[in-house]
Amino acid sequence: GQQVMQIPQYQHVQEGEDFTTYCNSSTTLSNIQWYKQRPGGHPVFLIQLVKSGEVKKQKRLTFQFGEAKKNSSLHITATQTTDVGTYFCAGPAEGAQKLVFGQGTRLTINP
Amino acid sequence: NAGVTQTPKFQVLKTGQSMTLQCAQDMNHEYMSWYRQDPGMGLRLIHYSVGAGITDQGEVPNGYNVSRSTTEDFPLRLLSAAPSQTSVYFCASSPGQGNPTYEQYFGPGTRLTVT
Repeated sequence: GQQVMQIPQYQHVQEGEDFTTYCNSSTTLSNIQWYKQRPGGHPVFLIQLVKSGEVKKQKRLTFQFGEAKKNSSLHITATQTTDVGTYFCAGPAEGAQKLVFGQGTRLTINP
Repeated sequence: NAGVTQTPKFQVLKTGQSMTLQCAQDMNHEYMSWYRQDPGMGLRLIHYSVGAGITDQGEVPNGYNVSRSTTEDFPLRLLSAAPSQTSVYFCASSPGQGNPTYEQYFGPGTRLTVT
């Protein structure tokens, strides 16, 4: 079945450093969503990308959708302690009304 | 709006016991789903529903039952709890008219331990 892979699984940075997580799908996606889960919390929707090559920004966060619509990335510039958490990408399963999540990238930050 | 609510927040079960995890949403969303989250495994879909009276299996349905008699409620039943079902369970809903490719709203989760 369809697989959505995220790398890295863990990332530890110093506050102020940049951070990037990558998401790769085994199939072409009609869209991709990104979520953030704070420690002990629940996933919260960040953004959805739909178009090939799309780039969207939310303050220090930059989201990209690949030209082939099989990969995506989330880049955080100058991390802050409030960015701590696990970041998930998710895409709709081919031919089914399901959302498939990546394993997530857990970000920890040294203040 | 309360959004998506889940009860209980925490639960400890003995092997073989059964229970129902409750999920409700007040946003009139057609699409609802249940996920379990285990360390390093991300979110895995258990069951989902595209509307009242319609349910289907996700990635890891074994040992779980669901029903959807109303738009608002989507309970998850554990038939005979096993230690492998120790996990955090999240319910989610989406406004996408039965389509999951819209923003998912997650509940706060139920932390289940099976001994």
